[in-house]
Amino acid sequence: GAGVSQTPSNKVTEKGKYVELRCDPISGHTALYWYRQSLGQGPEFLIYFQGTGAADDSGLPNDRFFAVRPEGSVSTLKIQRTERGDSAVYLCASSSTGLSPLHFGNGTRLTVT
Amino acid sequence: TQLLEQSPQFLSIQEGENLTVYCNSSSVFSSLQWYRQEPGEGPVLLVTVVTGGEVKKLKRLTFQFGDARKDSSLHITAAQPGDTGLYLCAGRSYNTDKLIFGTGTRLQVFP
Repeated sequence: GAGVSQTPSNKVTEKGKYVELRCDPISGHTALYWYRQSLGQGPEFLIYFQGTGAADDSGLPNDRFFAVRPEGSVSTLKIQRTERGDSAVYLCASSSTGLSPLHFGNGTRLTVT
Repeated sequence: TQLLEQSPQFLSIQEGENLTVYCNSSSVFSSLQWYRQEPGEGPVLLVTVVTGGEVKKLKRLTFQFGDARKDSSLHITAAQPGDTGLYLCAGRSYNTDKLIFGTGTRLQVFP
């Protein structure tokens, strides 16, 4: 079956612009996670959804970051007024329950110039 | 803030050597997972340990969860070039079930 799909795979944007990153989880997976990863580092937790609701958004760095999952499947991570420090690989993962292993997508590499 | 520190940060060894990677925290976790990540891809699960003191073996890899559920180790016997990658531990929070990743250990195995 299909795995977790993230689009786009690469995104280059100018400082101050708005970006949206999309995640299509594995069908039927109720839990969805967003992480941010810098080169050679471990993924940094951003937000975790159970169904449509954010179970834990304590990792969002500031109010420029927002994520939605309106129908409990596809999720969008939205970043307003991008800054160069936002440059990283943004990883999405899904799991069948909140306690099951995570299945990751290949990430979106965001570069803010 | 829960923090998982991994050591060493980098490891470069010859094929056939043994190695151990450590994952330490001051927090207690309900379970702990180990992942391996290759460039351009997402992390892939290797193992989950749930009981304090638990030891799991996966071919040449041995995983241990500390008695107090705050730390873990990964031991690789007779490393091979195919073991090269970024190894990540990840602890699950009791409070919200979120999964927190460690700082990572980059392993390079030379033929």
